[in-house]
Amino acid sequence: DAGVIQSPRHEVTEMGQEVTLRCKPISGHDYLFWYRQTMMRGLELLIYFNNNVPIDDSGMPEDRFSAKMPNASFSTLKIQPSEPRDSAVYFCASSRTSGATNEKLFFGSGTQLSVL
Amino acid sequence: GNSVTQMEGPVTLSEEAFLTINCTYTATGYPSLFWYVQYPGEGLQLLLKATKADDKGSNKGFEATYRKETTSFHLEKGSVQVSDSAVYFCALSDPGGSYIPTFGRGTSLIVHP
Repeated sequence: DAGVIQSPRHEVTEMGQEVTLRCKPISGHDYLFWYRQTMMRGLELLIYFNNNVPIDDSGMPEDRFSAKMPNASFSTLKIQPSEPRDSAVYFCASSRTSGATNEKLFFGSGTQLSVL
Repeated sequence: GNSVTQMEGPVTLSEEAFLTINCTYTATGYPSLFWYVQYPGEGLQLLLKATKADDKGSNKGFEATYRKETTSFHLEKGSVQVSDSAVYFCALSDPGGSYIPTFGRGTSLIVHP
């Protein structure tokens, strides 16, 4: 299994530009999570999907952020317009419901975003 | 609500030293507890877990015991190696919270030769 695949690994953009981060979860996993990691705030859950449906987006910082999951094998996180304070590492993770739990998350390698 | 509190880092040790990283939690139900590890430039990966009180999770020489009476899940290793340098995250999964993990802030471990 290839694991969770994220692209790009690094993104450098200018303030005001649109940024799209991509994620391919592990085949057969029914949960997908987007996290943001910064030194100041640690690891923050932005949004998660179950069977391609957004379940909780309360962690999305503001309307500039949006996430979609058009099918079971692809998700995007979009920032429009981007701002310097969005600079962070963004992780995608997936998991599979097993019995009563979906505890073990598999993380991608992350996208390092720098907004200048 | 649920929360996880970890000791602040960085923790700096010499090779072969004993490691303890403290973790305490608050949960409304009976959570499962986890330690995840993040090596430089990589995503988090599960290191070990325990699903009920007094359980001990172990992997790669690391251990942690689920202590319900003290709501703790401290990570220990008897002899650390340079390759253990990473960020360690304590987490809980609460059945009352749809099993979605809650993560601590992470503790950076630096091991010197």
